[in-house]
This record gives sequence, C-alpha cells and structure tokens, in this order.
Amino acid sequence: NAGVTQTPKFRVLKTGQSMTLLCAQDMNHEYMYWYRQDPGMGLRLIHYSVGEGTTAKGEVPDGYNVSRLKKQNFLLGLESAAPSQTSVYFCASSYSTSGGSNHEQYFGPGTRLTVT
Amino acid sequence: GENVEQHPSTLSVQEGDSAVIKCTYSDSASNYFPWYKQELGKRPQLIIDIRSNVGEKKDQRIAVTLNKTAKHFSLHITETQPEDSAVYFCAASMGSARQLTFGSGTQLTVLP
Repeated sequence: NAGVTQTPKFRVLKTGQSMTLLCAQDMNHEYMYWYRQDPGMGLRLIHYSVGEGTTAKGEVPDGYNVSRLKKQNFLLGLESAAPSQTSVYFCASSYSTSGGSNHEQYFGPGTRLTVT
Repeated sequence: GENVEQHPSTLSVQEGDSAVIKCTYSDSASNYFPWYKQELGKRPQLIIDIRSNVGEKKDQRIAVTLNKTAKHFSLHITETQPEDSAVYFCAASMGSARQLTFGSGTQLTVLP
C-alpha cells in the first residue's frame, strides 16, 4: 500500500495564478483532510470531507476550494494564489468502516508551495 | 472552536534524561488526544494517542497522561536518545469528522 500520496511535491506560483493539489489514499478511508503548516506553528485545518461528494470548512478555509469526486481522492484548489498562501500543505485520511483505528490520521508527505 | 496550547516551545535535555511536554485544551467535548513527531522536512508521524476514557497510556519509553477535569494532557519521554530530537505536536479531536486541532509544537533537542 502506498498510503497517502500528494502531488506535486513542490510548486512555485506567481500571485494570481491558480493550481490544484492532489491527495490520494489507498486505505479505503472515509475521511480526508487538508492542513497547512506555517513556520513555528502547528497544522491548521483548511477543509475536510467525511465521504465521497461531501466537503466542509475547517479553521482557515478562505482562498481555498476542495472537491471529493472519488472516495480515494481529495483535491485542494487555489483559484487566485496570494503570498499569504505560501506554506507546506499536508493531506491526511482516517477511518475505515472495515476495521482498524477509527481515529488515527495518516499524513501524506506534503507539498511545499511558494507564492511570489 | 477548540483551542490547544502547548508548552514549552523549545526543550533541550541531556541524553538519558526525561522530557515532558504539556498541552491544554479548551473544549470538554474533545475525546481523542494524539501526539505526533515531525522530523525536518518530513510528515507528522503518530507516536502515541489516548482517548478520553483513559487516564494514562504507555508504549516503551513514551507515555501520555490525561486529566479531563483540568483539560490538560502531557507527553513523557524517558531515557531520551539523540534520535528523539524532532518537533512534537499535541492535538485534540472532536466532532463527527474527528477534526484535529494542533498545538504550536515543541522543538526537542537531545544533547549527546
């Protein structure tokens, strides 16, 4: 199992450009999450999803949109990037109805985004 | 919403000594408290967790204690080793989607 994967690993954008970050998991997890991590701070929740076709706002949702068209994928979009969105973005997934830990979140390797 | 405070922000210990990191949370509805270790440039890795119906949990050199009345929980690492050097994050989980609210992290340095 690959676990949780993210693409791309690195990206540099100019202010105003758009991009989509892709998160994929092969653990049949129901829940998926997008976090951002800024220097000296913990991870902050951007958006999350409790199942295919559902999304909800987290702590810092402004400037981001998400979609979960397939259970295994969770996309994070930046429509008009701003320097304040320079950060490391982590995707995570959790909770399988077929057993295992119901609470543990498994994290992807992260995407380092720089907006100039 | 939930708020998690973590202290200290940096901690240096001599190899073999113990390290303690403390967190407090604000929402009594939180029911799951994981601790993550993050090495530079890597993803957070779960090292231990505890649920609200348990007061203490231990896994080899690592232990976590939870005081629900006071709304605080702590990570204890005994016999520290240089490879324990990393940033440690506490978190609290609540809600139907088990969303995590993280503390701001503790940079632990184990001096040889």
